[in-house]
Amino acid sequence: DAGITQSPRHKVTETGTPVTLRCHQTENHRYMYWYRQDPGHGLRLIHYSYGVKDTDKGEVSDGYSVSRSKTEDFLLTLESATSSQTSVYFCAISSGPNTGELFFGEGSRLTVL
Amino acid sequence: KQEVTQIPAALSVPEGENLVLNCSFTDSAIYNLQWFRQDPGKGLTSLLLIQSSQREQTSGRLNASLDKSSGRSTLYIAASQPGDSATYLCAPHGNNRLAFGKGNQVVVIP
Repeated sequence: DAGITQSPRHKVTETGTPVTLRCHQTENHRYMYWYRQDPGHGLRLIHYSYGVKDTDKGEVSDGYSVSRSKTEDFLLTLESATSSQTSVYFCAISSGPNTGELFFGEGSRLTVL
Repeated sequence: KQEVTQIPAALSVPEGENLVLNCSFTDSAIYNLQWFRQDPGKGLTSLLLIQSSQREQTSGRLNASLDKSSGRSTLYIAASQPGDSATYLCAPHGNNRLAFGKGNQVVVIP
């Protein structure tokens, strides 16, 4: 299994509070991704990173920010959580932008009350 | 924007039958296509990666085909087992990202 660790795995928070999810990899892969998975929508890309300090938006990036200060860590921040951000968040890593195989973490379940 | 459709959305089969899961996508400009398995409450496990230059890829009882020009991929699972019960997702890869279908939810009945 690819070395991907997400933390926390479960979190319950209140509307308006900031939340940070962490993805840590031990594979030294250049590309890292954050997806959210919701019933009826499938998996949707939030943000991705193609190197340290290099990030770009996905299809559902509003309300989210990311940071990557080290190759191994990719942080997803909800500045002010809303109930619509209740979801399961998955981190993924890849060695290449278009040809590398993607490997996923176990997910972080976030509930915003 | 890449649109991915997986048919059927759900199916139940008796143990031992072969499974055929279909995936279609709208943008044929892809570099590869990946099939995943997801068990309830778990992450995605990569099953097969087919490069755009390949027609098919095999791993054990699994075989995936790719027809890039027509925007189709099929996952075949031979001699299904109850442990194959899961949701299967296909994801064509292009434009620096994967696009996902909503999956084929499979139940194999003992």
